[in-house]
Amino acid sequence: AQSVTQLDSQVPVFEEAPVELRCNYSSSVSVYLFWYVQYPNQGLQLLLKYLSGSTLVKGINGFEAEFNKSQTSFHLRKPSVHISDTAEYFCAVIVYAGKSTFGDGTTLTVKP
Amino acid sequence: NAGVTQTPKFQVLKTGQSMTLQCAQDMNHNSMYWYRQDPGMGLRLIYYSASEGTTDKGEVPNGYNVSRLNKREFSLRLESAAPSQTSVYFCASSEPYPYEQYFGPGTRLTVT
Repeated sequence: AQSVTQLDSQVPVFEEAPVELRCNYSSSVSVYLFWYVQYPNQGLQLLLKYLSGSTLVKGINGFEAEFNKSQTSFHLRKPSVHISDTAEYFCAVIVYAGKSTFGDGTTLTVKP
Repeated sequence: NAGVTQTPKFQVLKTGQSMTLQCAQDMNHNSMYWYRQDPGMGLRLIYYSASEGTTDKGEVPNGYNVSRLNKREFSLRLESAAPSQTSVYFCASSEPYPYEQYFGPGTRLTVT
């Protein structure tokens, strides 16, 4: 079985500051790793994904994440946030169709 | 290209009533999923359909049934609604590898 832990339920940050949203996972088999964003009253949108290869992956809206196999982590980062980045962010691990586990979410609040 | 669509957007039911949530995708994806989202609990998989003609239970299937009507459509039925089923329901679809899921806008269900 796999599990996902998002280490911070809420992250407040000022506009133009850097941010890191932390995600740890556990799994006995290889997984695919994803970050999704959910804006208020909307569905989830894919930010980025790690399948294989380079451990640093870049996504939409200036976000990037680094896969660390030894620490089983997949932290999401952005060097300078905007007000419009205020949303809930979900880390997910997927083994195959039907074997997907989402974290509980991190609420990012960007303050002016 | 509408992606994943869900109907209705909102629904209020009384305990014991039944209803069907509809989901359709126009991306020709093989796999479809139903999740529920509760505050602080992320997304939990209810049922999924890896391909047309197959359905399997996810993490929280009790009280629900599904039908994969064809490749495009995947419905979720509540036979006898309970207050514990008050939630936001999301439908998603994906291709085999890398299982990147595309989400609908959600149905907000309240059971009184």
